[in-house]
Amino acid sequence: AQSVTQPDIHITVSEGASLELRCNYSYGATPYLFWYVQSPGQGLQLLLKYFSGDTLVQGIKGFEAEFKRSQSSFNLRKPSVHWSDAAEYFCAAGGSQGNLIFGKGTKLSVKP
Amino acid sequence: EAGVAQSPRYKIIEKRQSVAFWCNPISGHATLYWYQQILGQGPKLLIQFQNNGVVDDSQLPKDRFSAERLKGVDSTLKIQPAKLEDSAVYLCASSGHNYEQYFGPGTRLTVT
Repeated sequence: AQSVTQPDIHITVSEGASLELRCNYSYGATPYLFWYVQSPGQGLQLLLKYFSGDTLVQGIKGFEAEFKRSQSSFNLRKPSVHWSDAAEYFCAAGGSQGNLIFGKGTKLSVKP
Repeated sequence: EAGVAQSPRYKIIEKRQSVAFWCNPISGHATLYWYQQILGQGPKLLIQFQNNGVVDDSQLPKDRFSAERLKGVDSTLKIQPAKLEDSAVYLCASSGHNYEQYFGPGTRLTVT
Protein backbone atom coordinates (compact mmCIF):
# COMPACT_ATOMS: atom_id res chain seq x y z
CA ALA A 1 0.00 0.00 0.00
CA GLN A 2 1.14 3.52 -0.72
CA SER A 3 2.03 5.52 2.37
CA VAL A 4 4.00 8.46 3.69
CA THR A 5 5.58 8.30 7.14
CA GLN A 6 6.73 11.22 9.21
CA PRO A 7 8.35 9.59 12.25
CA ASP A 8 8.46 12.70 14.41
CA ILE A 9 5.13 13.98 15.72
CA HIS A 10 6.60 17.01 17.48
CA ILE A 11 10.02 18.65 17.32
CA THR A 12 11.30 21.59 19.33
CA VAL A 13 14.35 23.55 18.21
CA SER A 14 15.96 26.75 19.38
CA GLU A 15 15.76 29.82 17.21
CA GLY A 16 18.84 29.95 14.99
CA ALA A 17 19.45 26.21 15.19
CA SER A 18 19.32 23.93 12.20
CA LEU A 19 16.29 21.77 11.42
CA GLU A 20 15.70 18.45 9.73
CA LEU A 21 12.25 16.92 9.38
CA ARG A 22 12.11 13.33 8.23
CA CYS A 23 9.86 11.82 5.60
CA ASN A 24 9.78 8.28 4.20
CA TYR A 25 7.49 7.02 1.50
CA SER A 26 6.27 3.71 0.17
CA TYR A 27 5.12 3.95 -3.43
CA GLY A 28 5.02 1.75 -6.51
CA ALA A 29 7.28 3.99 -8.55
CA THR A 30 9.22 7.13 -7.76
CA PRO A 31 6.47 9.57 -6.83
CA TYR A 32 6.30 13.29 -7.05
CA LEU A 33 7.22 14.55 -3.57
CA PHE A 34 6.11 17.66 -1.77
CA TRP A 35 6.50 19.48 1.52
CA TYR A 36 3.68 21.71 2.77
CA VAL A 37 3.45 23.95 5.82
CA GLN A 38 0.26 24.67 7.73
CA SER A 39 -0.09 27.45 10.27
CA PRO A 40 -2.96 27.28 12.79
CA GLY A 41 -6.32 27.90 11.15
CA GLN A 42 -4.76 28.13 7.70
CA GLY A 43 -4.66 26.02 4.61
CA LEU A 44 -1.52 24.33 3.36
CA GLN A 45 1.24 26.28 1.64
CA LEU A 46 3.63 24.54 -0.73
CA LEU A 47 7.27 24.82 0.40
CA LEU A 48 8.95 22.79 -2.32
CA LYS A 49 8.54 19.87 -4.68
CA TYR A 50 10.56 17.13 -6.36
CA PHE A 51 9.58 15.70 -9.72
CA SER A 52 12.88 14.51 -11.20
CA GLY A 53 16.45 15.60 -11.80
CA ASP A 54 18.59 17.24 -9.16
CA THR A 55 17.94 15.46 -5.88
CA LEU A 56 18.49 18.58 -3.78
CA VAL A 57 15.61 20.99 -4.23
CA GLN A 58 15.29 24.51 -2.96
CA GLY A 59 12.04 25.98 -1.75
CA ILE A 60 10.61 29.10 -0.27
CA LYS A 61 11.50 30.58 3.13
CA GLY A 62 15.02 29.12 3.01
CA PHE A 63 13.94 25.46 3.07
CA GLU A 64 15.52 22.69 1.07
CA ALA A 65 14.90 18.97 0.76
CA GLU A 66 16.94 16.04 -0.46
CA PHE A 67 15.50 13.06 -2.31
CA LYS A 68 17.28 9.79 -1.57
CA ARG A 69 15.93 6.96 -3.69
CA SER A 70 17.89 4.26 -1.83
CA GLN A 71 16.32 5.28 1.45
CA SER A 72 12.89 6.22 0.07
CA SER A 73 13.29 9.49 1.91
CA PHE A 74 12.65 13.16 1.26
CA ASN A 75 13.86 15.04 4.33
CA LEU A 76 13.28 18.75 4.80
CA ARG A 77 16.06 20.98 6.12
CA LYS A 78 16.68 24.56 7.10
CA PRO A 79 20.06 25.83 8.30
CA SER A 80 18.71 28.44 10.74
CA VAL A 81 15.18 28.37 12.11
CA HIS A 82 13.19 31.53 12.77
CA TRP A 83 10.39 31.86 15.31
CA SER A 84 7.95 32.36 12.42
CA ASP A 85 8.72 28.82 11.19
CA ALA A 86 6.69 27.36 14.05
CA ALA A 87 3.89 25.45 12.30
CA GLU A 88 2.95 21.97 11.20
CA TYR A 89 4.79 20.42 8.27
CA PHE A 90 3.39 17.79 5.97
CA CYS A 91 5.20 15.57 3.51
CA ALA A 92 3.16 14.26 0.57
CA ALA A 93 3.65 11.88 -2.33
CA GLY A 94 1.69 11.65 -5.55
CA GLY A 95 1.60 10.28 -9.05
CA SER A 96 0.75 11.63 -12.46
CA GLN A 97 -2.97 11.63 -11.64
CA GLY A 98 -2.28 14.34 -9.10
CA ASN A 99 -3.88 12.83 -6.01
CA LEU A 100 -1.61 13.17 -2.97
CA ILE A 101 -0.99 10.92 0.00
CA PHE A 102 0.00 12.91 3.07
CA GLY A 103 1.94 11.98 6.16
CA LYS A 104 0.49 12.71 9.58
CA GLY A 105 2.58 15.81 9.97
CA THR A 106 5.33 17.08 12.26
CA LYS A 107 4.60 19.96 14.56
CA LEU A 108 7.55 22.32 14.91
CA SER A 109 7.95 24.48 18.00
CA VAL A 110 10.69 27.12 18.17
CA LYS A 111 12.26 28.14 21.48
CA PRO A 112 13.45 31.75 21.79
CA GLU B 1 -3.81 36.04 -8.61
CA ALA B 2 -6.65 35.16 -6.29
CA GLY B 3 -6.26 31.97 -4.27
CA VAL B 4 -8.68 29.14 -3.63
CA ALA B 5 -11.78 30.42 -1.87
CA GLN B 6 -13.86 28.36 0.53
CA SER B 7 -16.98 29.06 2.54
CA PRO B 8 -18.08 28.91 5.21
CA ARG B 9 -14.93 28.97 7.34
CA TYR B 10 -16.66 27.40 10.34
CA LYS B 11 -19.81 25.34 10.76
CA ILE B 12 -21.37 23.69 13.77
CA ILE B 13 -24.23 21.24 13.25
CA GLU B 14 -25.92 18.45 15.13
CA LYS B 15 -25.55 14.85 14.08
CA ARG B 16 -28.00 13.71 11.42
CA GLN B 17 -28.22 17.25 10.00
CA SER B 18 -26.93 18.13 6.55
CA VAL B 19 -24.22 20.60 5.57
CA ALA B 20 -22.68 21.93 2.38
CA PHE B 21 -19.31 23.46 1.66
CA TRP B 22 -18.40 25.60 -1.32
CA CYS B 23 -15.09 25.98 -3.14
CA ASN B 24 -13.98 28.30 -5.93
CA PRO B 25 -10.60 27.24 -7.37
CA ILE B 26 -7.90 29.39 -8.88
CA SER B 27 -9.00 30.68 -12.25
CA GLY B 28 -7.98 28.35 -15.06
CA HIS B 29 -7.22 25.36 -12.85
CA ALA B 30 -8.85 22.30 -14.36
CA THR B 31 -8.32 19.97 -11.42
CA LEU B 32 -10.10 20.37 -8.10
CA TYR B 33 -9.69 18.28 -4.97
CA TRP B 34 -11.58 17.90 -1.71
CA TYR B 35 -9.65 16.65 1.31
CA GLN B 36 -10.73 15.75 4.83
CA GLN B 37 -8.28 16.57 7.61
CA ILE B 38 -9.11 15.06 10.98
CA LEU B 39 -7.39 16.61 13.98
CA GLY B 40 -3.86 15.28 14.35
CA GLN B 41 -3.72 13.74 10.89
CA GLY B 42 -2.72 14.70 7.41
CA PRO B 43 -5.29 15.51 4.75
CA LYS B 44 -7.03 12.58 3.11
CA LEU B 45 -8.33 12.86 -0.44
CA LEU B 46 -12.10 12.51 -0.72
CA ILE B 47 -12.66 13.32 -4.38
CA GLN B 48 -10.78 14.67 -7.38
CA PHE B 49 -12.37 16.39 -10.37
CA GLN B 50 -10.86 17.06 -13.77
CA ASN B 51 -13.01 19.85 -15.21
CA ASN B 52 -16.51 18.58 -14.35
CA GLY B 53 -15.67 14.86 -14.40
CA VAL B 54 -14.72 12.71 -11.42
CA VAL B 55 -11.20 11.26 -11.57
CA ASP B 56 -11.05 9.59 -8.16
CA ASP B 57 -13.74 9.22 -5.52
CA SER B 58 -12.58 5.92 -4.06
CA GLN B 59 -12.33 7.31 -0.50
CA LEU B 60 -15.59 9.26 -0.54
CA PRO B 61 -18.22 7.73 1.80
CA LYS B 62 -20.89 7.76 -0.85
CA ASP B 63 -23.71 6.80 1.48
CA ARG B 64 -23.50 10.23 3.08
CA PHE B 65 -21.09 12.41 1.09
CA SER B 66 -21.67 13.87 -2.35
CA ALA B 67 -19.82 16.40 -4.44
CA GLU B 68 -20.39 18.14 -7.72
CA ARG B 69 -18.61 20.49 -10.07
CA LEU B 70 -21.31 21.13 -12.62
CA LYS B 71 -19.71 23.81 -14.79
CA GLY B 72 -16.11 22.76 -14.26
CA VAL B 73 -15.37 25.74 -12.04
CA ASP B 74 -16.65 25.92 -8.49
CA SER B 75 -17.64 22.88 -6.47
CA THR B 76 -19.90 21.87 -3.61
CA LEU B 77 -19.32 19.09 -1.09
CA LYS B 78 -22.34 17.90 0.88
CA ILE B 79 -22.73 15.66 3.91
CA GLN B 80 -26.15 14.18 4.67
CA PRO B 81 -26.67 13.01 7.35
CA ALA B 82 -23.63 14.07 9.36
CA LYS B 83 -22.03 11.83 11.97
CA LEU B 84 -19.84 12.76 14.90
CA GLU B 85 -16.80 11.33 13.13
CA ASP B 86 -17.25 13.81 10.28
CA SER B 87 -15.88 16.56 12.52
CA ALA B 88 -12.81 17.72 10.62
CA VAL B 89 -11.41 20.46 8.43
CA TYR B 90 -12.49 20.16 4.82
CA LEU B 91 -9.87 21.49 2.46
CA CYS B 92 -10.30 22.33 -1.18
CA ALA B 93 -7.33 22.50 -3.52
CA SER B 94 -6.83 23.14 -7.20
CA SER B 95 -4.03 22.55 -9.66
CA GLY B 96 -3.12 23.45 -13.20
CA HIS B 97 -0.74 21.59 -15.49
CA ASN B 98 2.22 21.45 -13.13
CA TYR B 99 0.77 19.13 -10.44
CA GLU B 100 1.22 21.78 -7.76
CA GLN B 101 -1.84 21.89 -5.57
CA TYR B 102 -2.93 25.19 -4.04
CA PHE B 103 -5.08 24.93 -0.96
CA GLY B 104 -7.87 27.07 0.36
CA PRO B 105 -8.17 28.03 4.06
CA GLY B 106 -10.54 25.17 4.78
CA THR B 107 -13.90 24.78 6.50
CA ARG B 108 -13.82 23.58 10.09
CA LEU B 109 -16.87 21.37 10.75
CA THR B 110 -17.95 20.44 14.24
CA VAL B 111 -20.70 17.84 14.59
CA THR B 112 -22.29 17.69 18.04
